[in-house]
Amino acid sequence: DAKTTQPTSMDCAEGRAANLPCNHSTISGNEYVYWYRQIHSQGPQYIIHGLKNNETNEMASLIITEDRKSSTLILPHATLRDTAVYYCIVRVALGSARQLTFGSGTQLTVLP
Amino acid sequence: DTGVSQDPRHKITKRGQNVTFRCDPISEHNRLYWYRQTLGQGPEFLTYFQNEAQLEKSRLLSDRFSAERPKGSFSTLEIQRTEQGDSAMYLCASSSEGISPLHFGNGTRLTVT
Repeated sequence: DAKTTQPTSMDCAEGRAANLPCNHSTISGNEYVYWYRQIHSQGPQYIIHGLKNNETNEMASLIITEDRKSSTLILPHATLRDTAVYYCIVRVALGSARQLTFGSGTQLTVLP
Repeated sequence: DTGVSQDPRHKITKRGQNVTFRCDPISEHNRLYWYRQTLGQGPEFLTYFQNEAQLEKSRLLSDRFSAERPKGSFSTLEIQRTEQGDSAMYLCASSSEGISPLHFGNGTRLTVT
């Protein structure tokens, strides 16, 4: 699975959009981009995933560049409860069961 | 959907003792994963089951570690002769087929004294 690069930490003001970048320049054509977050003392929580098109759900939006070498997770109106470590992961999904390989993630702190 | 359940949430044991953790996945999920997470690091893959078959093991899973999923439902992870380096959060996740995301439990925090 391709490696990802994320900033170590970011701050965001409450109520503003949080934009979390991820570089995955070695991504292959059959690798999906997944985002998870982990709030202290809890297990990772799935947020969203995509292949090449932008995706949106009730939690966030995922913007993938046309060359697929980077992506941005957008939390449109960040709240204090969004403070967490956010992981960007790329994963092959060919009907096989490749495990997720987590990096160190981005610590997002939402400030009041 | 009650989510992935792990028991116990916390376990303190003395070095050399054996411990066993249990994971109950989401009921319709046939895939089950174990991960380990140490402080300040992302989760690391340990092993994976499809139904009752253990299909993949990480090199992190030493001989002291064994995992089972006897009927393709719940799973247990046993650590024999615990060492202080085994202190970590042990996470279980489950998923259905294909690109379905993994859903994690809240983990079992093991402290070896």
